[in-house]
Amino acid sequence: DAGITQSPRHKVTETGTPVTLRCHQTENHRYMYWYRQDPGHGLRLIHYSYGVKDTDKGEVSDGYSVSRSKTEDFLLTLESATSSQTSVYFCAISESWEDYGYTFGSGTRLTVV
Amino acid sequence: KQEVTQIPAALSVPEGENLVLNCSFTDSAIYNLQWFRQDPGKGLTSLLLIQSSQREQTSGRLNASLDKSSGRSTLYIAASQPGDSATYLCAVASSNTGKLIFGQGTTLQVKP
Repeated sequence: DAGITQSPRHKVTETGTPVTLRCHQTENHRYMYWYRQDPGHGLRLIHYSYGVKDTDKGEVSDGYSVSRSKTEDFLLTLESATSSQTSVYFCAISESWEDYGYTFGSGTRLTVV
Repeated sequence: KQEVTQIPAALSVPEGENLVLNCSFTDSAIYNLQWFRQDPGKGLTSLLLIQSSQREQTSGRLNASLDKSSGRSTLYIAASQPGDSATYLCAVASSNTGKLIFGQGTTLQVKP
C-alpha cells in the first residue's frame, strides 16, 4: 500500500516472549492506528495515536503497548506474547479522518506458539 | 456502544448480476462511513467514503448510499465480475473520536 509499510510481514514467536511490530508511513499523516483481525470478531482497535507521543487505548488494548517517537513510526509491542494474540495485525493512517478516511497497511501475520 | 452489522455474511452470484450489500449501525452519531475491499490474505483497500452529510458516493460500477437517520448503508455493485470476488467491509467513524468500528464483512463470490 502506497506510503505505509508494516514489518515484519510474518512472524512466529514463542509464548512469553516480547514482540514488536512496526508501522512506517511516508505520508506525514497525523493519525495512526493498530487493529487486529480475527475470525468471528472482525477488525478491532488496539491503540491509536493522534500525534508524536500522543497515544490512547482502543477496545482490546490489554497486553499491548505502543510508542510513537516520530511522526512516521508507530510501534506495537506485545509485552509477553500469548496464544490469544495470534492474529493478523493491521496498521492504518489518516491525515484527516473526517475528510479522507483511512489507509491500511498490508498486515502482519503473527503466530504465537 | 456502536455496533455495525453486515448482511448477508456470504453471497454467491453469477457473473453480470447487479447486487446489494447491506450495512447497519446502531448509533447515528457518525462522522462518516467507509467501504473497504479485502482480498484473501491481503490488506484493506478503500472503495468509497461517505460523509455523514452526504447521501451517496459513486466510483465506477460501485455506488454507496447512506441513510444516517435509519442507521443504514448499502453498497451497490453493477454488472458483477469474477474479479469482484472478495470480502467487503463497512466501517463507521465515531463523531467524537473518529475511531473506526467495523462490521464483520460480506464475502462475495462471483461465478463466471
